[in-house]
Amino acid sequence: NAGVTQTPKFQVLKTGQSMTLQCAQDMNHNSMYWYRQDPGMGLRLIYYSASEGTTDKGEVPNGYNVSRLNKREFSLRLESAAPSQTSVYFCASSEGGPGANVLTFGAGSRLTVL
Amino acid sequence: GIQVEQSPPDLILQEGANSTLRCNFSDSVNNLQWFHQNPWGQLINLFYIPSGTKQNGRLSATTVATERYSLLYISSSQTTDSGVYFCAVDTGGFKTIFGAGTRLFVKA
Repeated sequence: NAGVTQTPKFQVLKTGQSMTLQCAQDMNHNSMYWYRQDPGMGLRLIYYSASEGTTDKGEVPNGYNVSRLNKREFSLRLESAAPSQTSVYFCASSEGGPGANVLTFGAGSRLTVL
Repeated sequence: GIQVEQSPPDLILQEGANSTLRCNFSDSVNNLQWFHQNPWGQLINLFYIPSGTKQNGRLSATTVATERYSLLYISSSQTTDSGVYFCAVDTGGFKTIFGAGTRLFVKA
């Protein structure tokens, strides 16, 4: 099992460009999440999808959009990238539901916006 | 929203030493998890421990929910224990909130 797979692993953008980070999980999990990690800080929740067909805002949703394409896939889109969005992005999944939110993370995607 | 504070922020150990990492949270929580982020950035779930005590090899964790804290014990530390340890909580629902982490370096 691959677990949680993120692509790309590295990306450099210019200010104003758009891009989509892809995430797929093969554990039949119901819930998926996007976090960002900045130096010296913990992870901050951007968006999450409790189940297929639903998405909700996390702590820092501004400047991002998400799509839960199907049960396996959850993408994160930056429509007009800004230098403040330079970060490492992590996708995670969990079975979901009370007592079943153990998070499994992907390897991360390092994004630099110039 | 709920606040999660971890201490100490940085810790340097000699290989073989023991250590205790602390996580305080400002409100009642449904669940608490401990993660290890290795020097290559990979995040591994260590414990899912809303209350009580769990052990896994040289690591153990205790959560006292009524007093709003959790402790992670590392015994006989090894260089491979280096990295950042995160505490993460949720108050029900799907928003899991992370602390800022404890950065551990174990010297050979």
